[in-house]
Amino acid sequence: DSGVTQTPKHLITATGQRVTLRCSPRSGDLSVYWYQQSLDQGLQFLIQYYNGEERAKGNILERFSAQQFPDLHSELNLSSLELGDSALYFCASSVDVSGGQETQYFGPGTRLLVL
Amino acid sequence: SQQGEEDPQALSIQEGENATMNCSYKTSINNLQWYRQNSGRGLVHLILIRSNEREKHSGRLRVTLDTSKKSSSLLITASRAADTASYFCATGTGANSKLTFGKGITLSVRP
Repeated sequence: DSGVTQTPKHLITATGQRVTLRCSPRSGDLSVYWYQQSLDQGLQFLIQYYNGEERAKGNILERFSAQQFPDLHSELNLSSLELGDSALYFCASSVDVSGGQETQYFGPGTRLLVL
Repeated sequence: SQQGEEDPQALSIQEGENATMNCSYKTSINNLQWYRQNSGRGLVHLILIRSNEREKHSGRLRVTLDTSKKSSSLLITASRAADTASYFCATGTGANSKLTFGKGITLSVRP
């Protein structure tokens, strides 16, 4: 158990819908990262938040957005869902006091299926 | 885009044998991390090696890093059936904390 929690574990929805994935980082970790894992694209970095502020953006679609709240939990919002958005979505967290030199601990993931 | 490229893509060995997996990357890095994933489940962190380190050990795991060749290797000694999983290398670059993952190596350890 990494200490990072994600809910829900599974999500089945229809095209065009909107969903919210939730992540609670390990106690004391200030950075939260979101990654997407799909069969064709592999594991890809989406976005990072550090202490409530967006720090880095990766291959995140405009239909996706995220935020980190004062209690440091984070939500990833996916809207206008398409079949190709079906994937495993991981959240990771790290202490991040030395600019990215720490281990990132991953949650169990949310498996999203868009029908 | 993938920065790390693991080799081989798949590896099948007998329990008790050693497994060596390689990772090559393209740009300068701050650190390289190896992760294990069991059958579409969460990623488990195995080991982090910084760019100024050459070798690290953790239990049955040994990781080497050669920054001149932009490559790393993960050695699992005395493998067990429970080591069956996908293994990923991930690189951290610059001041940005994001990790860039390779496509992974599927390791099968036969009992």
